[in-house]
Amino acid sequence: ETGVTQTPRHLVMGMTNKKSLKCEQHLGHNAMYWYKQSAKKPLELMFVYNFKEQTENNSVPSRFSPECPNSSHLFLHLHTLQPEDSALYLCASSLDIAGGQFFGPGTRLTVL
Amino acid sequence: SQQGEEDPQALSIQEGENATMNCSYKTSINNLQWYRQNSGRGLVHLILIRSNEREKHSGRLRVTLDTSKKSSSLLITASRAADTASYFCATDEGSGNTGKLIFGQGTTLQVKP
Repeated sequence: ETGVTQTPRHLVMGMTNKKSLKCEQHLGHNAMYWYKQSAKKPLELMFVYNFKEQTENNSVPSRFSPECPNSSHLFLHLHTLQPEDSALYLCASSLDIAGGQFFGPGTRLTVL
Repeated sequence: SQQGEEDPQALSIQEGENATMNCSYKTSINNLQWYRQNSGRGLVHLILIRSNEREKHSGRLRVTLDTSKKSSSLLITASRAADTASYFCATDEGSGNTGKLIFGQGTTLQVKP
């Protein structure tokens, strides 16, 4: 256990559904991240939050909407996704944005 | 954007042998990190080495950094079957601490018992 939890662990959704991924860290960290990991592609950073403020949006389509209500929680709201959005979505946290990151187990998302 | 590139892409060794993985990157960095990922699971942070450091150890892991060659290596000594995983290097952008890490494709290591 890394101290970063993600729910759900698996999610299957249709292209018209709206769903949310949740991430929670119990480490007292100040920075949180969303990554996408697709088969045969490098891990891609999506968003960075530092002290609840978004500091990085890596050209992510608007059908992915992040929310960071406090330093311990991070959400990724999903709507009208495409099949190519199927991937493992990983959340991470770090004490500060310069340090090593602690990853959650990920949510395996399948878009039908 | 820069990208860490690991070499080799796949490595298969016998238990007890050493495993060496290499990473190259394109631009200047503040630090370079190595992570391990077991199949379909989250990444585990192994070591962070700063641009002014040349070598770092953690248990059976040894990381070197050569900023003149823009390369790093990860050595796992006396490997065990439990070391079977994918290993990734990740670099920051060097222009400031943004939290943005660029990951390579990874090296898949198989340690045979």
